[in-house]
Amino acid sequence: AQSVAQPEDQVNVAEGNPLTVKCTYSVSGNPYLFWYVQYPNRGLQFLLKYITGDNLVKGSYGFEAEFNKSQTSFHLKKPSALVSDSALYFCAVRTNSNYQLIWGAGTKLIIKP
Amino acid sequence: DVKVTQSSRYLVKRTGEKVFLECVQDMDHENMFWYRQDPGLGLRLIYFSYDVKMKEKGDIPEGYSVSREKKERFSLILESASTNQTSMYLCASSLGGDSNQPQHFGDGTRLSIL
Repeated sequence: AQSVAQPEDQVNVAEGNPLTVKCTYSVSGNPYLFWYVQYPNRGLQFLLKYITGDNLVKGSYGFEAEFNKSQTSFHLKKPSALVSDSALYFCAVRTNSNYQLIWGAGTKLIIKP
Repeated sequence: DVKVTQSSRYLVKRTGEKVFLECVQDMDHENMFWYRQDPGLGLRLIYFSYDVKMKEKGDIPEGYSVSREKKERFSLILESASTNQTSMYLCASSLGGDSNQPQHFGDGTRLSIL
């Protein structure tokens, strides 16, 4: 079965420190990978995607993610966290044969001043 | 910028009522989606549509129906609302064709069924 795992329900990081939000996936075929962010009482906003090419992709608000095919992972990273990065982060995956996204359960990121 | 507008941010209805949730997008997107979001469960797809008058069941279609009479509008209908349908409902849209296009979301409707 195809699935996405976000192993941490919550990640706590001090402001200014690097942050990582983890995502692993299991799909058949080549994956299209996405990260979205959700601020309180809002819908999801697209951050970045990996389709093909360079394994390191850069997105909005200084975030980047690294695609690792052998580990089937797509971790979200940022070199220096801001308090305003505190939000709920979702990883999602799709293959080229399906409109549907398979979603992770989400990781709550808390950045402390 | 793509704008996806959901008609209500908060809605309170009673058990057994027929409930309509409306979603409109302004970017001529072919694909539209309805999800429900519950804590710890992420997003679960209820229905999606890839063209006018076309619809496909998602993972949890039971108790719901949809309507897409115009390209820009996708309605979710709770035929007879029940308390277990209390949730956050999110509408999204995306371009058709290549499946690598991101989905764009509305701000959600928080629905309470009493």
